[in-house]
Amino acid sequence: DTGVSQDPRHKITKRGQNVTFRCDPISEHNRLYWYRQTLGQGPEFLTYFQNEAQLEKSRLLSDRFSAERPKGSFSTLEIQRTEQGDSAMYLCASSLGPRGQSHEQYFGPGTRLTVT
Amino acid sequence: DAKTTQPNSMESNEEEPVHLPCNHSTISGTDYIHWYRQLPSQGPEYVIHGLTSNVNNRMASLAIAEDRKSSTLILHRATLRDAAVYYCILRDRYMDSNYQLIWGAGTKLIIKP
Repeated sequence: DTGVSQDPRHKITKRGQNVTFRCDPISEHNRLYWYRQTLGQGPEFLTYFQNEAQLEKSRLLSDRFSAERPKGSFSTLEIQRTEQGDSAMYLCASSLGPRGQSHEQYFGPGTRLTVT
Repeated sequence: DAKTTQPNSMESNEEEPVHLPCNHSTISGTDYIHWYRQLPSQGPEYVIHGLTSNVNNRMASLAIAEDRKSSTLILHRATLRDAAVYYCILRDRYMDSNYQLIWGAGTKLIIKP
């Protein structure tokens, strides 16, 4: 297992277009998280899955954002009608549950989105 | 949510110990203290965590003040590969359904050869 992977690593899109990112977590991890990070700031939590269930969504996650984890394995994050303010690094992380075993979150390398 | 305060940046010489401070004066009795670091152009990486007692692992040591209002991440012998942004984060041990880490801006550690 090579850790959390994300695809693509870089995405340049025009304002108004839709984009979709994929995250493949560590195989035995049942928890998956999405974060957004802008330059000079720490990551901001977006949403969290336990298996296929989306349990938490941040207020930052507008209606244009949707995330899925259909079979409890990989996850996708879609942004519809992108805006320039969506330009950021989108990070995925996974961890092992249940409680007491999930102190460590393992992060992927991120997808850098640039909206022109 | 309880907040943490860290210096924006710190410098250290290679091969010397580094002490990275973190203040968390509003910490609750059920908050764990987590440290992550982020190397340039990479995702964050878990370093260490603790609750009340000092902790050691292969990467670092975590010293927690007796009143738990501050903690210090100790890198015993910094190398150039330790140059990164270090984040100190609090997580409530009972908020399992709300398990999200609230991140600040972190401390940028610069290692001088």
